[in-house]
Amino acid sequence: GEDVEQSLFLSVREGDSSVINCTYTDSSSTYLYWYKQEPGAGLQLLTYIFSNMDMKQDQRLTVLLNKKDKHLSLRIADTQTGDSAIYFCAEKDTGNQFYFGTGTSLTVIP
Amino acid sequence: DSGVTQTPKHLITATGQRVTLRCSPRSGDLSVYWYQQSLDQGLQFLIQYYNGEERAKGNILERFSAQQFPDLHSELNLSSLELGDSALYFCASSVGDHTDTQYFGPGTRLTVL
Repeated sequence: GEDVEQSLFLSVREGDSSVINCTYTDSSSTYLYWYKQEPGAGLQLLTYIFSNMDMKQDQRLTVLLNKKDKHLSLRIADTQTGDSAIYFCAEKDTGNQFYFGTGTSLTVIP
Repeated sequence: DSGVTQTPKHLITATGQRVTLRCSPRSGDLSVYWYQQSLDQGLQFLIQYYNGEERAKGNILERFSAQQFPDLHSELNLSSLELGDSALYFCASSVGDHTDTQYFGPGTRLTVL
């Protein structure tokens, strides 16, 4: 299957920006997603980007896609303690298969 | 609350047994997806159904099968269970087939002893 890689941990101070990175190998990705998982809960879709876009902004969230380098990032502005969670990037290929990264555990320090 | 329901919440069983996990999608959603989340494998896409038909297949073992019924609820059947099948099984639903928004249920935690 395709590889979707993320760093495992990220710590930021409350009020700072967080940047979570993701790299993938599939060149036929159609959509790329960011999900948030809080302890004991399912995944919550945060945002997505179509593969022909470079950037998408949605309130505090900014997604950047570098298709040439197969690099996706999620920036959370003014990070709050409620943003502490595991963040998964995922990509969907043309065969409608989904591949998830390993998840990045974000800790926000008050 | 995503509107997707899954039962049971927890399931404890023994190796070699067979279990059925159930998922009810959000009202109006035609697609159902099944995922397995475990510590060693991460989150793995298993299978997708759209309006009763299999649409995409991921890393689903032959011991596992799924179906989507006319009322659009779905069941995931896991048989000849092994210790390594212990995981969280999530169901998600979306409105259409190639839509980009999936809503996840709370998951079923399966423990195989």
